[in-house]
Amino acid sequence: EAGVVQSPRYKIIEKKQPVAFWCNPISGHNTLYWYLQNLGQGPELLIRYENEEAVDDSQLPKDRFSAERLKGVDSTLKIQPAELGDSAVYLCASSLGQREAPYNEQFFGPGTRLTVL
Amino acid sequence: SQQGEEDPQALSIQEGENATMNCSYKTSINNLQWYRQNSGRGLVHLILIRSNEREKHSGRLRVTLDTSKKSSSLLITASRAADTASYFCASTWFDQLTFGKGTKLSVIP
Repeated sequence: EAGVVQSPRYKIIEKKQPVAFWCNPISGHNTLYWYLQNLGQGPELLIRYENEEAVDDSQLPKDRFSAERLKGVDSTLKIQPAELGDSAVYLCASSLGQREAPYNEQFFGPGTRLTVL
Repeated sequence: SQQGEEDPQALSIQEGENATMNCSYKTSINNLQWYRQNSGRGLVHLILIRSNEREKHSGRLRVTLDTSKKSSSLLITASRAADTASYFCASTWFDQLTFGKGTKLSVIP
């Protein structure tokens, strides 16, 4: 069974440029998460989707970050414009969801390492 | 902001020795999970302990949970070079995971 797929794996851009990350969750997983992981830190939640609905986006910097999960399957996270401080690893994870699996186990993709110059 | 704290931040041991990592959290939990992250890779789920459990074993892993102290520990016995990675605890409240800063483990062959 395929795991969570993310692309690209690496991205280098100039500051003020836009960038987008793509995630395809495990088939059948209703819940999708985007995390930000700075160097030497643990992941921090940016946004959580239940199917196509963003149910927790309180930590998403909405002035420059946006996300969508239009058909409730794959998702895109966008930054526009990117700043130097956005350099980090962006992780996507998926899970069955609270209803199907009360003891939530999240499955993570390999992440996209973003470098903003 | 991150909720949990791991201790130590970095740990270096010889192959065959045991490695112990500690984690503290601040609020109520349904369960606590431990994840491993190899350099440049995503996180891999290791073990989950429920809030009403005190100890759990899985292969060479042993996890304890003390809800009165809001702390957990992960013990890896008979460590191997392949155990070299960063280890994160994640406290769970319903569908939300809150990760600590991690412990970087180096196992020297």
